[in-house]
Amino acid sequence: EVQLVQSGAEVKKPGESLKISCKGSGYSFTSYWIGWVRQMPGKGLEWMGIIYPGDSDTRYSPSFQGQVTISADKSISTAYLQWSSLKASDTAMYYCAKMVNYYFDYWGQGTLVTVSS
Amino acid sequence: QSALTQPRSVSGSPGQSVTISCTGTSSDVGGYNYVSWYQQHPGKAPKLMIYDVSKRPSGVPDRFSGSKSGNTASLTISGLQAEDEADYYCCSYAGSYTFGVFGGGTKLTVL
Repeated sequence: EVQLVQSGAEVKKPGESLKISCKGSGYSFTSYWIGWVRQMPGKGLEWMGIIYPGDSDTRYSPSFQGQVTISADKSISTAYLQWSSLKASDTAMYYCAKMVNYYFDYWGQGTLVTVSS
Repeated sequence: QSALTQPRSVSGSPGQSVTISCTGTSSDVGGYNYVSWYQQHPGKAPKLMIYDVSKRPSGVPDRFSGSKSGNTASLTISGLQAEDEADYYCCSYAGSYTFGVFGGGTKLTVL
């Protein structure tokens, strides 16, 4: 059974750093792209970027380039999304999802990130 | 890259059919047959309903169908059921620079 299990909710202050994770199982983790999707409170889905764990090839949406870093550790089948300096506007639910031929077939349960002073 | 354009809301009675549109450009929806649709219930993760414009994943009822004409893709739900009430998002491949873009989402209400 394919599963993507994300790390738990986080509460952070502006300026702090953060790294959230997404662990894949039940499939060949290195053979499929993993994507990250943002959903701000009460808003729609936003495509952030993707990574191919096999060789760490990474692509970012222009809107998120330079704002976040996507990485992966294939030895533990885990992808990451990180911020070096959080802003209040980063408050959102973040989903990881397995990508096949430009669509997301399996999704993680989401990680809620709250940034507040 | 601007989000794809979807109606904010649509509604229908049980048993009826509804269609949700998703309008993009020749750089995304019109340029590739890589449109997908996702259903999201409140507080839940999105679920894939349609991929490659009109293909249904295993387990998705055949009441859900997808199509595309020019720069506009459509999701049609026939025989509406109460459990279909949810938010629906389209998504399209948009080339090797932008890669992917979602629509703004449509809230489906089953009356």
